[in-house]
Amino acid sequence: AQKITQTQPGMFVQEKEAVTLDCTYDTSDPSYGLFWYKQPSSGEMIFLIYQGSYDQQNATEGRYSLNFQKARKSANLVISASQLGDSAMYFCAMREDRDDKIIFGKGTRLHILP
Amino acid sequence: DGGITQSPKYLFRKEGQNVTLSCEQNLNHDAMYWYRQDPGQGLRLIYYSQIVNDFQKGDIAEGYSVSREKKESFPLTVTSAQKNPTAFYLCASRELGGAGVEPQHFGDGTRLSIL
Repeated sequence: AQKITQTQPGMFVQEKEAVTLDCTYDTSDPSYGLFWYKQPSSGEMIFLIYQGSYDQQNATEGRYSLNFQKARKSANLVISASQLGDSAMYFCAMREDRDDKIIFGKGTRLHILP
Repeated sequence: DGGITQSPKYLFRKEGQNVTLSCEQNLNHDAMYWYRQDPGQGLRLIYYSQIVNDFQKGDIAEGYSVSREKKESFPLTVTSAQKNPTAFYLCASRELGGAGVEPQHFGDGTRLSIL
């Protein structure tokens, strides 16, 4: 069965510091994709970054990077040089190629302190 | 502008009443999804559809029903059988193919409350 685990319910980080949000997953499908989304207090879901299970390189998008450790089934999001606007909920999600079902973790609420 | 429109933004339901949440997309996406979000629970998948006239149950389908008569529309009905419907409901769509890299696009959500 698919499962996504985000073990950090909340985090407080000083502005300009880097932050790592943890995500582990469990799947028996060898072909899958991992996504990270940001949800500000307004409720919209903003796509941040994607990593495919066969990708050799870790994904990067601007200040976001994904630390993909396939053997550990880990897909941590790293935000460099955090900004006040990064304060939000962050969700890790996984899609298995066999059925296109996409499930989410419970999220981590990130607070950036000035 | 292309996007996903959910309506209404706020919805109130009386006990024993069915209500339908609308989701329309003009992105020409094949797949559409419904999620429920409760505080501390993240997003839980209710139903999803990859093609017109076909849909699959997600992890919490009980008490809900959907239809996919048109590619651009995927309405969700919250039936009276759903005993705890108060939540934030998010609709999403996604283009299939493309090696699976396409992310979901989300609507702005509907907040459902019980009177």
